[in-house]
Amino acid sequence: DAGVIQSPRHEVTEMGQEVTLRCKPISGHDYLFWYRQTMMRGLELLIYFNNNVPIDDSGMPEDRFSAKMPNASFSTLKIQPSEPRDSAVYFCASSLRLEIYGYTFGSGTRLTVV
Amino acid sequence: QQPVQSPQAVILREGEDAVINCSSSKALYSVHWYRQKHGEAPVFLMILLKGGEQKGHDKISASFNEKKQQSSLYLTASQLSYSGTYFCGTGTGNTPLVFGKGTRLSVIA
Repeated sequence: DAGVIQSPRHEVTEMGQEVTLRCKPISGHDYLFWYRQTMMRGLELLIYFNNNVPIDDSGMPEDRFSAKMPNASFSTLKIQPSEPRDSAVYFCASSLRLEIYGYTFGSGTRLTVV
Repeated sequence: QQPVQSPQAVILREGEDAVINCSSSKALYSVHWYRQKHGEAPVFLMILLKGGEQKGHDKISASFNEKKQQSSLYLTASQLSYSGTYFCGTGTGNTPLVFGKGTRLSVIA
């Protein structure tokens, strides 16, 4: 398996623009997670899905953030409009189970909002 | 609530040992350990579950004290390749992982 695939690897955008991050989880993994990593706050859970259904989005910072998982092999995280404080590395991860299996992380998207 | 890791950073010479601690204020069911190298994704090392045994492979092992809600990661005879940031991720039973802020480990020759 190719692992968890994220795109793009880097994104530089201007404040106010829409940003869409993409993720392809490992086939057969029932859980998909979106985490954001910053120096100040570390790895924060934004939202997670089970069998394509969003289960908990309480970590999504504001209404500007939205996530979808239209099928088992694709998920998006959208920020509209983007702000400089959204600059971070966004990781997608997938797992067979919620806690008893390890998470496999994608390579991440480094987002810079100027 | 985010688990607390200690120390925040440690520098070792090759061949030395290190212990990284992870502590939670919540009753834990699982503790995961991950290593992240600069500019890369976190990589899963091992998992410890409530009621389970101490885990380990090669020179990296871990323990889980369920009563104290603490876990420790042991790195023995460190190698240059062990350098990176180590994260613990904790779960309380049917919850996604919450990660600590990490411990930066630098191994020098």
